[in-house]
Amino acid sequence: GAVVSQHPSRVICKSGTSVKIECRSLDFQATTMFWYRQFPKKSLMLMATSNEGSKATYEQGVEKDKFLINHASLTLSTLTVTSAHPEDSSFYICSAWADVDNEQFFGPGTRLTVL
Amino acid sequence: RKEVEQDPGPFNVPEGATVAFNCTYSNSASQSFFWYRQDCRKEPKLLMSVYSSGNEDGRFTAQLNRASQYISLLIRDSKLSDSATYLCVVNLGGTASKLTFGTGTRLQVTL
Repeated sequence: GAVVSQHPSRVICKSGTSVKIECRSLDFQATTMFWYRQFPKKSLMLMATSNEGSKATYEQGVEKDKFLINHASLTLSTLTVTSAHPEDSSFYICSAWADVDNEQFFGPGTRLTVL
Repeated sequence: RKEVEQDPGPFNVPEGATVAFNCTYSNSASQSFFWYRQDCRKEPKLLMSVYSSGNEDGRFTAQLNRASQYISLLIRDSKLSDSATYLCVVNLGGTASKLTFGTGTRLQVTL
């Protein structure tokens, strides 16, 4: 299947700093990527749908000014957690839609810890 | 009511056992159904799609009942390596539509 990478895999930062997470589709182009967040022992919750060349669509309750999404190319979407706080500590996972396979492929996730 | 509901478990079964997981979904307009597997601290991986006619992949059998809005997964001859969380996933259909995940059912297979 198609491969999606995320970087970094793990980040620890101080409260108030901003953190950027990259999601790349390595062997296919993805016009649509998704960003999820998963708290311990909870389900994956969709945060936003990222569309190449246009603004992301955010789910209800997700602050677009806090979670900035940029999908500037067909292989890269970035999520920036601005002014991170301890309650933002979570497992952030992206996925990319592969038109050819008609399937979503998930990145390995980024574990964010805000001190 | 949650969009996708699952029994969180954990299900503790001995190796070789047969185990079944159930899932219900609330949106009758849902079009596609899947079971994903997620290992601890890893991303979810597609296990199998679920079709109304039922489908089987080796030791895994999935069933869908649209009338009852119910999905099941049966694992036969459980292996230690089957230990994971199994996620029931639904989407409303259409190209690149978003997935809705259940909270998952934890399976622990023991010797």
